Amino acid sequence: GQNIDQPTEMTATEGAIVQINCTYQTSGFNGLFWYQQHAGEAPTFLSYNVLDGLEEKGRFSSFLSRSKGYSYLLLKELQMKDSASYLCASMDSNYQLIWGAGTKLIIKP
Amino acid sequence: DTAVSQTPKYLVTQMGNDKSIKCEQNLGHDTMYWYKQDSKKFLKIMFSYNNKELIINETVPNRFSPKSPDKAHLNLHINSLELGDSAVYFCASSQDLQDRGPETQYFGPGTRLLVL
Repeated sequence: GQNIDQPTEMTATEGAIVQINCTYQTSGFNGLFWYQQHAGEAPTFLSYNVLDGLEEKGRFSSFLSRSKGYSYLLLKELQMKDSASYLCASMDSNYQLIWGAGTKLIIKP
Repeated sequence: DTAVSQTPKYLVTQMGNDKSIKCEQNLGHDTMYWYKQDSKKFLKIMFSYNNKELIINETVPNRFSPKSPDKAHLNLHINSLELGDSAVYFCASSQDLQDRGPETQYFGPGTRLLVL
């Protein structure tokens, strides 16, 4: 079956670094997406990885290991506005996104 | 503004009614989607559609039907609404996947459906 696992909730301190892990198991693989969703709003695209390694984009970086079926999202210099849910999604062989339940990130001052 | 838009934003209705949610995108995308996000926050794909193919998630009841008058619109019609249909429904769009590989999906603001 197809499955995406990520922690339900994480807490971090403003200014710190946090890593949100995701493991995936899908029928075929066409890349791994990370989306951010603030409460009551739509998901917005953060990053896409299809090759192994780290992709850096400002304060956010995303890592992929295809052999391990593993990805993480790294958030540096945390700000209060980063409080949101972070959704991991794997694209399967039919180009359908299989979504995790999201990790709710709580930032404390 | 270029975007994916949905109407209505909130929809409260009685069990057994029939309702429609409208979605429009002016991004020039070829593929549109409907997702359901339940109280546990899982995003579940319901339909993906472009001018060539409708892909239906087999777990979606046939009370739900997508209707696409043109490439920029994909409406969702729901017959005989049930209590369990209460959720947030998101429309999304992306470029055609078949020619260029995976493309980012852009989401509408969501429609919060409450069935009483």
